[in-house]
Formats: sequence, structure tokens, C-alpha cells
Amino acid sequence: DAGVIQSPRHEVTEMGQEVTLRCKPISGHNSLFWYRQTMMRGLELLIYFNNNVPIDDSGMPEDRFSAKMPNASFSTLKIQPSEPRDSAVYFCASTLTDRISGKQFFGPGTRLTVL
Amino acid sequence: AQTVTQSQPEMSVQEAETVTLSCTYDTSESDYYLFWYKQPPSRQMILVIRQEAYKQQNATENRFSVNFQKAAKSFSLKISDSQLGDAAMYFCALGVETSGSRLTFGEGTQLTVNP
Repeated sequence: DAGVIQSPRHEVTEMGQEVTLRCKPISGHNSLFWYRQTMMRGLELLIYFNNNVPIDDSGMPEDRFSAKMPNASFSTLKIQPSEPRDSAVYFCASTLTDRISGKQFFGPGTRLTVL
Repeated sequence: AQTVTQSQPEMSVQEAETVTLSCTYDTSESDYYLFWYKQPPSRQMILVIRQEAYKQQNATENRFSVNFQKAAKSFSLKISDSQLGDAAMYFCALGVETSGSRLTFGEGTQLTVNP
């Protein structure tokens, strides 16, 4: 089992540029989550999908952030335009069920630095 | 709304000794799960242990066990026979069934294991 795959692992960009983070969940998992981790705010849920449908996007900070899940094996988190305060580690996680009893498996994260 | 509080930003333990990490939470829901995640320097989030609120018996996973005090809304993690590889940031998390699969994380406790 390859686990949750995220790319890139590191991203450095300049303010104003578009950033796209990618995630491949574990095969067979039907729920996918995007988290952001910062020193100031800790781990925050940005959005989660169930069966490719966004269920809760209340954590998405603003319109500059968007997430898609075109199929069961791929999701993207896009920031356009990026700002220095978006610098953080972004995690993708997946789980077999949409119920909270399901164990969430995390990817290795993408460290984003916006200059 | 759900909250999770970890009041110990840092803890240290001698190798082979036992350490307990504290966590308190708040929710008005009766159906929920509690989790401890470990984040080593590699930053990979790893599920350590999970507790169902409806179960009175404390969960155990090898050297890891919890002390779940439902009335006090307390959920501490005990690590026995600490090993150097246990050094990591530990996060307590709460998931409520009515909120779907979203998890609320605590601030984290940085555990150092001294040889």
C-alpha cells in the first residue's frame, strides 16, 4: 500500500503566483481531507470530500483557496493569488468511510513557502 | 462547537521510563471519538491510538494506553518504556459523528526522550 501521496513535497513561490498542491488518496478510500498546519493556528481542516463531493468547506480561509476532486484518485488544492501568510504545511488525508470512526491516514505534507 | 486543549507544550522523559501526556476536550455531543496522533520530525502524521466515547474500557496499543475520563472530559496518553523513536509532537484530536469526519486538533505536545 503506497499510502497517501502528495506532491510537491516542497514549494517555494513568490507572492501573487498560483500554487497547486496535489493529492492521491489511498485506493478504495472514499473520503479525503485537506489540512493546513501553522505554528500560530495549529492543524486546521480546510475542506473535506466524500465520494468526490465537497461536504464541508467552512475551513477554507477565503476565495483565493479552491479545492477539487475530479475523481476518486486525485484532488487538488489551489491558491490564487498566493500570499506570504499562506506559508504552511498542507496535509492531505484519506479514510475508508465518511464516519468519524474511520481512521484518517495522512500524506507526508507539502511545505509551502510564499516569499 | 468542539474544543481540544493540550496544556503541556513540552514534555521530556528518560528512555525506558513512563510519561503521560494530557488532553482535555469539550463537546456537547454524546457520540464521538478521541485520537492521539504522533508527528515525528519527518512531519508524517501517524495515528497512535483511538478511543470510542461509548466504550468504558481504555484503549491500548502495545506501549501506548489512554486514560479516558468521560465525565471529566479528559483523555491522557501514557507511553510506557519510552524509546528514542517516541520523540515527536503528539496531537490529541476529537471527532464528532454529527460533524461528519472532521477532526478538531489540540495544540500539540512536543515530547523529548533523553537517552
